[in-house]
Amino acid sequence: GQQVKQSSPSLTVQEGGISILNCDYENDMFDYFAWYKKYPDNSPTLLISVRSNVDKREDGRLTVFLNKSGKHFSLHITASQPEDTAVYLCAAGDGGNNKLTFGQGTVLSVIP
Amino acid sequence: GPKVLQIPSHQIIDMGQMVTLNCDPVSNHLYFYWYKQILGQQMEFLVNFYNGKVMEKSKLFKDQFSVERPDGSYFTLKIQPTALEDSAVYFCASSLAGTDTQYFGPGTRLLVL
Repeated sequence: GQQVKQSSPSLTVQEGGISILNCDYENDMFDYFAWYKKYPDNSPTLLISVRSNVDKREDGRLTVFLNKSGKHFSLHITASQPEDTAVYLCAAGDGGNNKLTFGQGTVLSVIP
Repeated sequence: GPKVLQIPSHQIIDMGQMVTLNCDPVSNHLYFYWYKQILGQQMEFLVNFYNGKVMEKSKLFKDQFSVERPDGSYFTLKIQPTALEDSAVYFCASSLAGTDTQYFGPGTRLLVL
């Protein structure tokens, strides 16, 4: 079964709004949680990551929230811009990141 | 940021033939990975590689698959022989340490006919 799930295949947000991307996981052993951004025919690029010893991390317009008891983590993008339009992949790893388990991705569209 | 290159970007091959996918990892990185993404599905871990050896492989890493990095050159994934179900995008990644950020290449799109 899918160990990491992104239940929303797509999300549309107005420019300036907040984009909230969600990811659920099953494996209690996951201790590393990451969000990657991907343009078509391009490399997935790490946006932000957290270890399981924190429940929130901010970096500019990006914030990742980790809810370990709910086995859920999310990415919030404030002041969303058209250039944020891309596929967002969540990923989780255990015992280091030697093996990442990815979600299926959410296509974010930010419309002017 | 650091770049991982993959050659070729696209490859079409007849079933039963051999194919080698090449990855040029970030220059000082020591850990190397392959992931497979079938159309419409998520990226899935295939294998990781360190110090000349496979550390871990998934059930997707069939006997027909092999990896190597001879003399610090390309990190390669070889499939011999190929099967129709090997059609996918293959992403290479590298990291400095096993717990560090994985940097991904743009993928090689493999089509097996």
